[in-house]
Amino acid sequence: ETGVTQTPRHLVMGMTNKKSLKCEQHLGHNAMYWYKQSAKKPLELMFVYSLEERVENNSVPSRFSPECPNSSHLFLHLHTLQPEDSALYLCASSQAVVGQGSDTQYFGPGTRLTVL
Amino acid sequence: AQSVAQPEDQVNVAEGNPLTVKCTYSVSGNPYLFWYVQYPNRGLQFLLKYITGDNLVKGSYGFEAEFNKSQTSFHLKKPSALVSDSALYFCAVRPRTGGSYIPTFGRGTSLIVHP
Repeated sequence: ETGVTQTPRHLVMGMTNKKSLKCEQHLGHNAMYWYKQSAKKPLELMFVYSLEERVENNSVPSRFSPECPNSSHLFLHLHTLQPEDSALYLCASSQAVVGQGSDTQYFGPGTRLTVL
Repeated sequence: AQSVAQPEDQVNVAEGNPLTVKCTYSVSGNPYLFWYVQYPNRGLQFLLKYITGDNLVKGSYGFEAEFNKSQTSFHLKKPSALVSDSALYFCAVRPRTGGSYIPTFGRGTSLIVHP
């Protein structure tokens, strides 16, 4: 495995529920990412944290709220989602802080989210 | 703006035959280029990357990719395909300077290797 874990692996929630996705990296990396993966679409970057500071927010609806309490943990809090938010949510980490383009990302297995 | 094109949604190849998964890119300046693979119910796994130097990059599981600056391509290749290579493959690009440090991914190409 890659050293990046995600829980839960599967989540079914109603549109009025509140839930959270958790990501943990055991690689000593400084940057963490949330991506949304939908079928037949490119990976959509949602949020980037570097040294626990948010450095990128790609026009994501406010019903998604990230939290990075330390460099090893990343959360995605979900509230009043829509059915079109159903997707695979991937967490990734990388060694470098902002600016090192050759940096490799390491991905977790993802959380398969279904919104009813 | 940077972009990546993977022109084939699906590539079919017989086991033992060579395989190619295509990727072209658009970015200002010289790029960093990456290939990742995704097996069912798994996250993306790093295969290889081009940083500088030799245009032919060798990676994991016998895969290699050739950086072609004039054609702005970075096609993934393997001399002899295995059934276990069946997966979803993603190409990604990052500019070296003056742009976002965040990689841009292609849509992915599904590789199916038939026994």
